[in-house]
Amino acid sequence: DAGVTQSPTHLIKTRGQQVTLRCSPKSGHDTVSWYQQALGQGPQFIFQYYEEEERQRGNFPDRFSGHQFPNYSSELNVNALLLGDSALYLCASREVRDNEQYFGPGTRLTVT
Amino acid sequence: AQSVTQLGSHVSVSEGALVLLRCNYSSSVPPYLFWYVQYPNQGLQLLLKYTSAATLVKGINGFEAEFKKSETSFHLTKPSAHMSDAAEYFCAVSDGPMDSSYKLIFGSGTRLLVRP
Repeated sequence: DAGVTQSPTHLIKTRGQQVTLRCSPKSGHDTVSWYQQALGQGPQFIFQYYEEEERQRGNFPDRFSGHQFPNYSSELNVNALLLGDSALYLCASREVRDNEQYFGPGTRLTVT
Repeated sequence: AQSVTQLGSHVSVSEGALVLLRCNYSSSVPPYLFWYVQYPNQGLQLLLKYTSAATLVKGINGFEAEFKKSETSFHLTKPSAHMSDAAEYFCAVSDGPMDSSYKLIFGSGTRLLVRP
């Protein structure tokens, strides 16, 4: 049983560009959350998707957007990249009634 | 608003010694509390969680934590450190059943170093 998978593993982008990160949840999970982990810090909640809708959002600008597909997989899009967007982006999935989240290995985004 | 404070960004212990990683939380509602471990270049792995059942929680790899409401603490302990325990540890809080999103608020982490 595959756990949470994310792609790509690493990504290098230039300021002002746009990026899309992908996440496939653990089998049986229908809820996906995204977190940003800057170097040396704890992860910060970006938003959560359930039933293809954004259910809750953290304190992130509108440049950060997402999508959830019918198969529960999810994408995180970031527009107009800034140097400060460089971070490890973590995807977490759970079954909607369960409080336990499973994290993927993350995508390391570097903005130059 | 919820918050988590992890005292000590780095903790160093000798192999075989007691591990104690400190976590204090702030929450206006009964919280759910979690400890995660992160190895280099990897995601987060759940060590243990408190969800209003027993206040002493046992997790994987010999770790345990005790929920103390009066002290708003959820410290992580392990009786005997192993070299493989060297990693970054994160304490996290969620609003429990009051928030169906179960979004996590993380502390800034504690890096555990284990000396041979």
